Amino acid sequence: NAGVTQTPKFQVLKTGQSMTLQCAQDMNHEYMSWYRQDPGMGLRLIHYSVGAGITDQGEVPNGYNVSRSTTEDFPLRLLSAAPSQTSVYFCASSRRGGFSYNSPLHFGNGTRLTVT
Amino acid sequence: TQLLKQSPQFLSIQEGENLTVYCNSSSVFSSLQWYRQEPGEGPVLLVTVVTGGEVKKLKRLTFQFGDARKDSSLHITAAQPGDTGLYLCAGEVRDQGAQKLVFGQGTRLTINP
Repeated sequence: NAGVTQTPKFQVLKTGQSMTLQCAQDMNHEYMSWYRQDPGMGLRLIHYSVGAGITDQGEVPNGYNVSRSTTEDFPLRLLSAAPSQTSVYFCASSRRGGFSYNSPLHFGNGTRLTVT
Repeated sequence: TQLLKQSPQFLSIQEGENLTVYCNSSSVFSSLQWYRQEPGEGPVLLVTVVTGGEVKKLKRLTFQFGDARKDSSLHITAAQPGDTGLYLCAGEVRDQGAQKLVFGQGTRLTINP
């Protein structure tokens, strides 16, 4: 039972490079989201999706793109990496968008990204 | 601006002591969740509280949702080294028809043997 799988675990980029962080879930969850975690800032929502073909912006969307072509996959694209995007990125999914007791967020183990 | 403020941000105590972590906001939440995160892993759900004034217990951990659904607390009795970790509260809000979870900045708890 894999749950939410993120790849890669670590990545170093130079300023201006682009890359895609992969996220896949095998729980048939409708809702998927990307957060970034920075010291003293908690988790901040970047983008989210309530189902295949639907995406929307969170608190800190600038510099990131997402797409949701299938229920299982929700990749996060960095278009032109900047040092301010150095962070730990978490993908999370939920059975549906309401976070009541029967629909919590399930997190992957994160991707640690450094932009030099 | 941080919608949810947790306090304290850091707490280091001896094994056997009691502690309380607070999660405060001026916003009303549909529900509030507490997560615990270990190094190198994603957060894992501990509990969800939904009703104002609700109290839930998970062994030595007691969670309370404020009457107005704007704040919450986590109390640990007789803390053990295994309780060490980052504790995050998260409130459910509705924004333009979509429901989202917003997180506090976390409380890093260290229990010394």
